[in-house]
Amino acid sequence: EVQLMESGGGLVQPGGSLRLSCAASGFTFSSYEMNWVRQAPGKGLEWVSNIVGSGSNVYYADSVKGRFTISRDNAKNSLFLQMNSLRVEDTAVYYCARKATVATTTRRFAYWGQGTLVTVSS
Amino acid sequence: NFMLTQPHSMSESPGKTVTISCTRSSGSIASNYVQWYQQRPGSAPTTVIYEDDQRPSGVPDRFSGSIDSSSNSASLTISGLKTEDEADYYCQSYDSSNVVFGGGTQLTVL
Repeated sequence: EVQLMESGGGLVQPGGSLRLSCAASGFTFSSYEMNWVRQAPGKGLEWVSNIVGSGSNVYYADSVKGRFTISRDNAKNSLFLQMNSLRVEDTAVYYCARKATVATTTRRFAYWGQGTLVTVSS
Repeated sequence: NFMLTQPHSMSESPGKTVTISCTRSSGSIASNYVQWYQQRPGSAPTTVIYEDDQRPSGVPDRFSGSIDSSSNSASLTISGLKTEDEADYYCQSYDSSNVVFGGGTQLTVL
């Protein structure tokens, strides 16, 4: 059974940093593109970043480019999101999500974690 | 980057049919597949339609998807509405370097 479990959320002041983790199990982690998607309170879904299975290619939404860094440790089946220079508008539940299949180029999410809440406030 | 625009909210009665639209702002809707997710309060999203018109196993055939190149939009149709279909619905597509979600449609079944 595929499982994704985020951790690392919490309260941080504007300008601060936080590192989110996502522990994966039930599949060959290194084979799959992984993503971070966030949802501000009462708002819609917003894609944040993704990283291919090898870690060699990463992409970011314009809203976080230059402030957030996605990475992975395939030996530990873990995905990370280093968030720096945090802003009030970064307040959201952050989900890690796995691309549905290895074989196709379709970028869709078949598995999601339960999310971790990041609150940026003074 | 392109945007996906959905109606903010819709409401329909049980047993009826509702169609939620998702319009792509630039580039062809047919250039990359569209997915639809259902999200209930306090839960992560789940897929109800993928690759424009495919239903995952376990999703009732009351859910169907389509695209229309003339209006550059995708649609999610739910027939025989049930109260359990009340949820937020998001369309999603992508290009070579970005993933884009629509703003979401809050569906009320009453």
